Amino acid sequence: QITLKESGPTLVKPTQTLTLTCTFSGFSLSSTGVGVAWIRQPPGKALEWLALIYWDNDQRLSPSLKTRLTITKDTSKNQVVLTLTDVDPVDTATYYCAHAPGAFFDFWGQGTLVTVSS
Amino acid sequence: DIQMTQSPSTLSASVGDRVTITCRASQSVSIWLAWYQQKPGKAPKFLIYKTSTLESGVPSRFSGSGSGTEFTLTISSLQPDDFATYYCQQYNSSPFTFGGGTKVEIK
Repeated sequence: QITLKESGPTLVKPTQTLTLTCTFSGFSLSSTGVGVAWIRQPPGKALEWLALIYWDNDQRLSPSLKTRLTITKDTSKNQVVLTLTDVDPVDTATYYCAHAPGAFFDFWGQGTLVTVSS
Repeated sequence: DIQMTQSPSTLSASVGDRVTITCRASQSVSIWLAWYQQKPGKAPKFLIYKTSTLESGVPSRFSGSGSGTEFTLTISSLQPDDFATYYCQQYNSSPFTFGGGTKVEIK
């Protein structure tokens, strides 16, 4: 049974760095073809794909956020970490991590709402 | 980047109706298209991949079709549990973009 859960701060000040952790179970990020993605959703708006890291450490990042985003994995801890630097109120969103058996997303975490405000 | 455009943005329908949602890509994504269902306050639920392959456990009233730049999600007979927002997503190439969503509401 695959499960994922996001954790991190609920409130971040503008210009700070946001660090989110996805802790998962039921699969290994060392298995061929497997990845973990981050997707976000501003309140009342559509889904926006942010980043994806694969079992072989291949990383794909949203071009619009590439200079501010980092995605890393810790296979031994079953965790994937997303960092977003220099946050702005427009980064306020629910952030989801998801299992990616390719580049679609079949299992999702419950999401964590992050508010950027001073 | 490949832009994904869904239409309509909102759809009003009744239980039992046949519902079709369209997703258009700004360039060909071949058959690499997925669909998700999202209810308020919940994470998206994965429905379909590779244009038309239903995820295990998804009711057969859902179907997907298309290729290249035009795709459809059809619900053959709308059920009360189907009122939700639906998103398409292309995974032909990075960035793996989502459509803007189609909200299916009760008429």
